[in-house]
Amino acid sequence: NAGVTQTPKFRVLKTGQSMTLLCAQDMNHEYMYWYRQDPGMGLRLIHYSVGEGTTAKGEVPDGYNVSRLKKQNFLLGLESAAPSQTSVYFCASSYPAPWDTQYFGPGTRLTVL
Amino acid sequence: AQTVTQSQPEMSVQEAETVTLSCTYDTSESDYYLFWYKQPPSRQMILVIRQEAYKQQNATENRFSVNFQKAAKSFSLKISDSQLGDAAMYFCAYNKKNRDDKIIFGKGTRLHILP
Repeated sequence: NAGVTQTPKFRVLKTGQSMTLLCAQDMNHEYMYWYRQDPGMGLRLIHYSVGEGTTAKGEVPDGYNVSRLKKQNFLLGLESAAPSQTSVYFCASSYPAPWDTQYFGPGTRLTVL
Repeated sequence: AQTVTQSQPEMSVQEAETVTLSCTYDTSESDYYLFWYKQPPSRQMILVIRQEAYKQQNATENRFSVNFQKAAKSFSLKISDSQLGDAAMYFCAYNKKNRDDKIIFGKGTRLHILP
C-alpha cells in the first residue's frame, strides 16, 4: 500500500502559467481533500470530494479547480498561477466517514514567481 | 462557527521529560471527533491520536495520551518520555459528525526536543 501519493513534489511556476497537481490513493477511500498550508495559517481546505464524479468548494477555492474522474485520483488545477498561490499543498483522504481519520500525502511545494 | 485554538506556537522539552500541548475548541455540538496530528520536518502529516466526544475515557496511544475535558472544551496532548523523533509541528483538529461539515485545524504548536 502506497497510501496517498502526490505528484510532483516540487514545482516552480511563473505568474500566469497553469499546472495540475495529482493526488492518488490506493485505499479505496471515498472522501478526498486538497489543503494548502501557509506559515502561521495551519491547513486550509481548498476543495473536497465525497465520491467519484463529485467535487465541492472548501474555505479557499478561488483560483483553483478540481476533478475526480476516478475514485482513486483527485486533481487540483491552477489555471493562471499567482504569487499568492505559493504554498505547500496537501492531499488527504478519509475513511470510513468524512469526519474520521484523514490520511495525508507528502505534499507539493509550489512557488509562483 | 467552530474554532480550534492552540495557544502555544512553540514549546521545548528536554529529552525523556513529559510535555503537554494545549488545545481548546468552540462548538455547540455534542457528537464530534477530536484529533492530534503530527507533522515532522519531512512534512507528511500523520495521526497521533483521536478522541470521540461521546467516550468519556481519555484516549491513549503508547507514550501519547489526551486529557479531554468536554465541558471545558479542552483537548490537551501529553507526550511522556519525549524522544528526539517527537520533534514536529502538532495540529489539533475538530470534526463534527456530519457529512456536510469539514475538519477544522488549529494553527499548530512547534515542539522542540532538547537533547
